[in-house]
Amino acid sequence: DGGITQSPKYLFRKEGQNVTLSCEQNLNHDAMYWYRQDPGQGLRLIYYSHIVNDFQKGDIAEGYSVSREKKESFPLTVTSAQKNPTAFYLCASSIVGGGPFQPQHFGDGTRLSIL
Amino acid sequence: AQKVTQAQTEISVVEKEDVTLDCVYETRDTTYYLFWYKQPPSGELVFLIRRNSFDEQNEISGRYSWNFQKSTSSFNFTITASQVVDSAVYFCALSDTDTGGFKTIFGAGTRLFVKA
Repeated sequence: DGGITQSPKYLFRKEGQNVTLSCEQNLNHDAMYWYRQDPGQGLRLIYYSHIVNDFQKGDIAEGYSVSREKKESFPLTVTSAQKNPTAFYLCASSIVGGGPFQPQHFGDGTRLSIL
Repeated sequence: AQKVTQAQTEISVVEKEDVTLDCVYETRDTTYYLFWYKQPPSGELVFLIRRNSFDEQNEISGRYSWNFQKSTSSFNFTITASQVVDSAVYFCALSDTDTGGFKTIFGAGTRLFVKA
């Protein structure tokens, strides 16, 4: 079945530690996204990528980094510079060829907490 | 700047009741798209509908219907004869020509509880 796989489902970070969240898709989508979801808030865009080897900052990129070396993969690193990393992180993807404004397909998220 | 407001934080209804989730948006663009997504307890957002700014025709899909009114900048979502399985958080979202349509602004979401 085609879809987006995020791992791990739960992740704990120690102070001063970098952690990486995995996102893999087999939908053959060109665009991929990372969102952060906090309680009572909508999703906020961290980074997005339209094509391999290219990505743009979203609204809350500080303290995060990404790479897009393969079409299928868009890992997110939460660095020690992110002082409040506790949140639910969602990865999404969408097609590009059909024009902009495409609906996004989401993974089932990674919940990150500080130890 | 774009903005999506979902004023209802939580709604609780009894099964078989009709319920309407409100969504008000702001954008300066004339070309934009509006979306609704459902987030069940599993966490994954599920796409429900997309509507473009040039099509104000209302849409019905089974028990779901959507009312798009540009005059009031609203895109409301109605569930008819609600069921327990409709319990979820529902997000309204907006995408316009900023960044070529790849950036989506989400509302804060409305949590719907449907009691048996």
